[in-house]
Amino acid sequence: NAGVTQTPKFQVLKTGQSMTLQCAQDMNHNSMYWYRQDPGMGLRLIYYSASEGTTDKGEVPNGYNVSRLNKREFSLRLESAAPSQTSVYFCASRTGGLNTEAFFGQGTRLTVV
Amino acid sequence: GESVGLHLPTLSVQEGDNSIINCAYSNSASDYFIWYKQESGKGPQFIIDIRSNMDKRQGQRVTVLLNKTVKHLSLQIAATQPGDSAVYFCGGLITGGGNKLTFGTGTQLKVEL
Repeated sequence: NAGVTQTPKFQVLKTGQSMTLQCAQDMNHNSMYWYRQDPGMGLRLIYYSASEGTTDKGEVPNGYNVSRLNKREFSLRLESAAPSQTSVYFCASRTGGLNTEAFFGQGTRLTVV
Repeated sequence: GESVGLHLPTLSVQEGDNSIINCAYSNSASDYFIWYKQESGKGPQFIIDIRSNMDKRQGQRVTVLLNKTVKHLSLQIAATQPGDSAVYFCGGLITGGGNKLTFGTGTQLKVEL
């Protein structure tokens, strides 16, 4: 099993450009998450999805949109990238319910210039 | 001058000593409190969790303590090894609703030989 796969691994955008970060899991998990990680700021929750067809805002949703396309895939879209969105983005998934173990992807390093 | 928040708190320990990593949390709504470990260049990995109605839980070489009165969580690692060098995140899971999973800023553990 591949676990959680994120694409791309690296990306450089110009201010104002748009892009979609892709995330897919093959563990039949219900819940999926998007985080950003900045130096000294830890992991901050952007959006999450408890199940296919549902999404919720996290701690820092401004400037982002998400789509839970199906049970496997949860994409994160930046409509108009800003330098403040330069970060490492992690996708994670977990079974749901009382299971606290989430599995993370390898991350996408995004630079906005 | 140095900006607050750009550097992770760091704990340095000698190999073989016990490590105690502390975390103050603000969200008392969490049903579970959790600890994750992140090695350089990788996504975070689950270590251990504790239900909010418990005060202690032990795993293999790790113990988590929860003090709800002062909103404090700690992770104790016995006989710390070089492979324990990583960033450690505490967090919380709210199991109702959207299954919100959030993390703190992290602590860098450095194991000295």
